[in-house]
Amino acid sequence: QVQLQESGPGLVRPSGTLSLTCAVFGDSITSNNWWNWVRQPPGKGLEWIGEAHHGGKTNYNPSLKSRVTISVDKSKNQLSLRLSSVTAADMAVYFCARDHQYGDSTWAFDIWGQGTMVTVSS
Amino acid sequence: EIVLTQSPGTLSLSPGERVTLSCRASQSVASTYLAWYQQKPDQAPRLLIYGASSRATGIPDRFSGSGSGTDFTLTISRLEPEDFAMYYCHHCDGSLWTFGQGTKVEFK
Repeated sequence: QVQLQESGPGLVRPSGTLSLTCAVFGDSITSNNWWNWVRQPPGKGLEWIGEAHHGGKTNYNPSLKSRVTISVDKSKNQLSLRLSSVTAADMAVYFCARDHQYGDSTWAFDIWGQGTMVTVSS
Repeated sequence: EIVLTQSPGTLSLSPGERVTLSCRASQSVASTYLAWYQQKPDQAPRLLIYGASSRATGIPDRFSGSGSGTDFTLTISRLEPEDFAMYYCHHCDGSLWTFGQGTKVEFK
């Protein structure tokens, strides 16, 4: 059974850098999947942050691209997120999710972590 | 950038009713990249439908998806108490994933 587990500081200071990791259990980070970060501000909808593939490719939400880095650590079988210059608008529950290929050109986020809340405050 | 617009924003229904949720894309999209998720309070989203019409593993057959081009629909044939939740559609245009703003299905 594949499971994802997010971890990281729950409190980040304004203008600081948010850093989270997502440990992958039951699957290899080098499998033919993409690994994603999604966030959800309190009481609001889902926002895709970006994704990474173990081959080195990444894709980012244009609205966050200048501040985001997503990477894969093959040795630790985990995914990482760094978001710089955070403000109150970055306060949210952050989820990691596996983007799984079901067939030719058919993809969807089939496995999600439970999410971790990040507060931005001094 | 493709925008997904879900309607209605909120549905107030009773158990046993049939539910139809709409997701409209700002331009024609590939149905193979269209998915639907269910999210309950304080839980992660759960994949219901992928490829616009295929049920994910373990999803009851009362859930079905359809549509193509710009108009997609999630149907719950008979609403069960555990189906009261938020529902999101989701699409990728190749390198950019987008979520709809969600539809809340609540108790009437």
